[in-house]
Amino acid sequence: QQQVKQSPQSLIVQKGGISIINCAYENTAFDYFPWYQQFPGKGPALLIAIRPDVSEKKEGRFTISFNKSAKQFSLHIMDSQPGDSATYFCAARNNAGNMLTFGGGTRLMVKP
Amino acid sequence: EAGVTQFPSHSVIEKGQTVTLRCDPISGHDNLYWYRRVMGKEIKFLLHFVKESKQDESGMPNNRFLAERTGGTYSTLKVQPAELEDSGVYFCASSYGLAGVETQYFGPGTRLLVL
Repeated sequence: QQQVKQSPQSLIVQKGGISIINCAYENTAFDYFPWYQQFPGKGPALLIAIRPDVSEKKEGRFTISFNKSAKQFSLHIMDSQPGDSATYFCAARNNAGNMLTFGGGTRLMVKP
Repeated sequence: EAGVTQFPSHSVIEKGQTVTLRCDPISGHDNLYWYRRVMGKEIKFLLHFVKESKQDESGMPNNRFLAERTGGTYSTLKVQPAELEDSGVYFCASSYGLAGVETQYFGPGTRLLVL
C-alpha cells in the first residue's frame, strides 16, 4: 500500500514551460513534505520542502503548493530548463519519527 | 565537506551469496538511515540509527538483512543469503541532530543485482 501517490510517472516539457508534478497522501500524521531531485548516478538531493501550516513556498523557479484539506501537494517548476531534467520524488515525514515516505518518482525531461 | 559515501557503487552476486554494503555518513551526523528502491518503484525506508542504536527498524524486510553501526560512525548492511527480490538500489542518508526535520542527505547508492 503506497502511502504517497505521485503523478505523472514521466513528463516531457519544452524549455521555458511549466513542469507540474502532483502528490497525494492519506496519513494525517505527516507533518513535513520535502521534494527531492535525483540526477543519474547520484543520490536524491533536497530541492525544497514545506510544512502543512503554509499553502505555498517558493524558492527561485521552484514552488510547492500545499492543500491540507485535500491532502495534496505539488511541485511547479517555472521556466523549465534542460538542466532540470532529472527524477523528482515527493516525500512525507511522520511526526512520530524521522523516516521519509516517498512517492514513486517522476522522470522529467525538458526539451531544448 | 564530504557528503555521504557508499561502497561499493555496484555489486552483482548470485542468489544465496552474501553481500555487505557500507555507508559513511557526513561527519557529525547522529542520524543514519537506510532506504531501498526496487525496480523503479518508490524509495522505501529500511531502518534508522541514532548514533549506534537502532531507533526504528520497521522497514527491514526480513531477518536476512542485518544492519550495524559500530561506534556510531559508519554503517554496514549485510544481506545473507541474497535472494532475487533483493535487487535494487540501496541508499544511505544522514542528518544532524536527534529530532526535528533536519535535512536528510543521501549518498549515491549501491546498485545491487542478484542473479
